[in-house]
Amino acid sequence: DAKTTQPNSMESNEEEPVHLPCNHSTISGTDYIHWYRQLPSQGPEYVIHGLTSNVNNRMASLAIAEDRKSSTLILHRATLRDAAVYYCTPPGGNQFYFGTGTSLTVIP
Amino acid sequence: DTGVSQNPRHKITKRGQNVTFRCDPISEHNRLYWYRQTLGQGPEFLTYFQNEAQLEKSRLLSDRFSAERPKGSFSTLEIQRTEQGDSAMYLCASTQSWDSPLHFGNGTRLTVT
Repeated sequence: DAKTTQPNSMESNEEEPVHLPCNHSTISGTDYIHWYRQLPSQGPEYVIHGLTSNVNNRMASLAIAEDRKSSTLILHRATLRDAAVYYCTPPGGNQFYFGTGTSLTVIP
Repeated sequence: DTGVSQNPRHKITKRGQNVTFRCDPISEHNRLYWYRQTLGQGPEFLTYFQNEAQLEKSRLLSDRFSAERPKGSFSTLEIQRTEQGDSAMYLCASTQSWDSPLHFGNGTRLTVT
């Protein structure tokens, strides 16, 4: 099973960049790395995903290590709406694995 | 794209009763997942369907749990003889293919008293 390691919590000041790390050393060569975030009482929301190259979308950027054993989600300017639990989830076959994630606090 | 819909949003039941939850995925998505989430934990995989076929089940899914996806459209998750330990948020997600993102519903929160 693919497993992940993320810091339990992180803090950021509003409008500062945030780098959320994830280790996924058991990821297989064909698994995409997905990131989701979850607000209280809601289902997880897709943020970004990638295979080998760095990826950008309107929400965030994803930097993937060359050996694919780790990745970093980058929020370029944190807003209060970005306060959530962030999960990196390698699929691990057909079972997307969610660990305990990183709880991001954004300080106004 | 109306999103993934789950009903009911909340369910309170007494221990020993049976409950059934429904998930309506995004219409063109052939893959459907059920997850369970308890407070402070990430979602835990329960089961996965590709069209109407249930292809994977977690060891977490005891004999009291059963899931169906008739005709590869909506899915139901039934829990028989509920126990207090079944209290959790039950999440459904769907996706189009193995390399596409999951789309989650907002879950059904089950409380067993």
